[in-house]
Amino acid sequence: SQTIHQWPATLVQPVGSPLSLECTVEGTSNPNLYWYRQAAGRGLQLLFYSVGIGQISSEVPQNLSASRPQDRQFILSSKKLLLSDSGFYLCAWSVIQGVYGYTFGSGTRLTVV
Amino acid sequence: RKEVEQDPGPFNVPEGATVAFNCTYSNSASQSFFWYRQDCRKEPKLLMSVYSSGNEDGRFTAQLNRASQYISLLIRDSKLSDSATYLCVVNTNAGKSTFGDGTTLTVKP
Repeated sequence: SQTIHQWPATLVQPVGSPLSLECTVEGTSNPNLYWYRQAAGRGLQLLFYSVGIGQISSEVPQNLSASRPQDRQFILSSKKLLLSDSGFYLCAWSVIQGVYGYTFGSGTRLTVV
Repeated sequence: RKEVEQDPGPFNVPEGATVAFNCTYSNSASQSFFWYRQDCRKEPKLLMSVYSSGNEDGRFTAQLNRASQYISLLIRDSKLSDSATYLCVVNTNAGKSTFGDGTTLTVKP
């Protein structure tokens, strides 16, 4: 069966520090991978998605970047965090662009202080 | 106007009650629809897909009304464990997914 791992679960980082969140998927090949962010009490905002190694699409201009160095690995990064980067970050995978829904990782709660 | 709108609630209902949520969408080209459940401080989990003919899974029934552009989720015989936030998701045929902000349900003893 397919599983998705995301870490760390919680992170407190100072403003201006770098960020690296990692997500890996097991049990499937060539998944579509996504990074979402959820503000408190709000829905999910798509940040990046990838349909293959090295292929990244950005949905919202921001202080973040994403990379997919391997088929089942997706990384979210920032060189310098802003206070507004705080939120709940969720990695997800799907087949065929979410036609059958998404499976989410357990999320990373990021607080920038 | 948001692409996908949900009543945020909260809906506070007693155990055993029947409760229904609606989710309206603005893009008439939307093709597929889902309900997700999200527990507090956890990731969303797929609850059910919503088919044109409607579908039922135990105490949960989902329906789609294309003419009025909304989907609904009906929960019968509510349990304490049904307390959560319910997110609707609407996909276009271009593969774009839009999440609603969620409806919060609290089931009380």
